[in-house]
Amino acid sequence: EIVLIQSPATLSLSPGERATLSCRASQSVSSYLAWYQQKPGQAPRLLIYDASNRATGIPDRFSGSGSGTDFTLTISSLEPEDFAVYYCQQRSIWPTFGQGTKLEIK
Amino acid sequence: EVQLLQSGGGLVQPGGSLRLSCVASGFSFSTYAMYWVRQIPGKGLECVSGINNDATGPAYADAVKGRFTISRDNSKNTLYLQMNNLRAEDTALYYCAKRRDAHGSKWAHFDYWGQGTLVSVSS
Repeated sequence: EIVLIQSPATLSLSPGERATLSCRASQSVSSYLAWYQQKPGQAPRLLIYDASNRATGIPDRFSGSGSGTDFTLTISSLEPEDFAVYYCQQRSIWPTFGQGTKLEIK
Repeated sequence: EVQLLQSGGGLVQPGGSLRLSCVASGFSFSTYAMYWVRQIPGKGLECVSGINNDATGPAYADAVKGRFTISRDNSKNTLYLQMNNLRAEDTALYYCAKRRDAHGSKWAHFDYWGQGTLVSVSS
């Protein structure tokens, strides 16, 4: 099983600031990594797939980078609706998810 | 519009059974692999099972292997999860999820999710 460790566990920022979320894999997943956003009472929403590709309808303030074991999700300028929990997920082998990063309003 | 409409959750005693259903619309269901992903309330996500578009190659997480069975009926645009010998640790919100790409050699990212159905296992 590939373990994904996300950091930080909680990130406190203000609207308009830049957010940088990290995901580290226990072994290489090449570029087979996705990012999801989840708000309370909702299903996860795909933001980024295969490390750097925005999913349909995702604003360009969301970007993904990385390969191998280290990945980053960047939100260039936070909007009020971006405060949520973010998960990374690999598909190199049986899909696994990180434990999540909670992005909260400072 | 892609929709995945789930049903079938509920409260069951340990050792009991439940069947979850997920009815798909708005896309060519028979073209895409489908999965079940669960989430313990307030916790993270776990991929439980997946099945190819043509109902071949069912796959399971070790935690449910031998107890859960995934299936699909492409004529009814419906995905199923038969859960037997349920345990307290199976208590979770279960989502059905669609594979993002129709073809690929690796496992899946998930671009559409159902609304979730709660399974509670308790005596």
